[in-house]
Amino acid sequence: GESVGLHLPTLSVQEGDNSIINCAYSNSASDYFIWYKQESGKGPQFIIDIRSNMDKRQGQRVTVLLNKTVKHLSLQIAATQPGDSAVYFCAENIIGNQFYFGTGTSLTVIP
Amino acid sequence: EAQVTQNPRYLITVTGKKLTVTCSQNMNHEYMSWYRQDPGLGLRQIYYSMNVEVTDKGDVPEGYKVSRKEKRNFPLILESPSPNQTSLYFCASSRGMDQPQHFGDGTRLSIL
Repeated sequence: GESVGLHLPTLSVQEGDNSIINCAYSNSASDYFIWYKQESGKGPQFIIDIRSNMDKRQGQRVTVLLNKTVKHLSLQIAATQPGDSAVYFCAENIIGNQFYFGTGTSLTVIP
Repeated sequence: EAQVTQNPRYLITVTGKKLTVTCSQNMNHEYMSWYRQDPGLGLRQIYYSMNVEVTDKGDVPEGYKVSRKEKRNFPLILESPSPNQTSLYFCASSRGMDQPQHFGDGTRLSIL
């Protein structure tokens, strides 16, 4: 099956610092990528997405970077807040096929 | 309020007793999907549906069935549940395959 992996299973940052969460994917045909946030006891919540014809996309306090050369995706969170503490998943989609999710990175924000 | 609703939220049952987890969305989404989430494995796609009467297998379809008779509903059926199907299940929907999915709050199934 497809492999979507994360470099680090856990990440701790100080409140106010920037966070970077990484994700590697293995299928060069993947066309669409999404970052989700999952809080305890809840379903994943959409954060930001990016298509393969882009290399960067910005949202409110979040930026996603896509490097197709090395099949790498990252999520940057600016001025990390306690409410950002959660598990973050990347997901990829190949046109006409299903979605594959990474195993998740647990982000802890230290006040 | 736009939402994906799953029922039940929790269920403890025994091996072999057929069960159905319902999923309903009120956003008129065409794409719906079921995932299971297990520790260390992330979310794995079980089945998905591109539209009414169109369903396809995901990564881990064995032991599950689905149906899509109406656009808003996408039930997950376990005909003969086994302990290895103990997991946290999520239903999701989106406007299309290349759009972000909205997830329900999950159904925790324990098969004894």
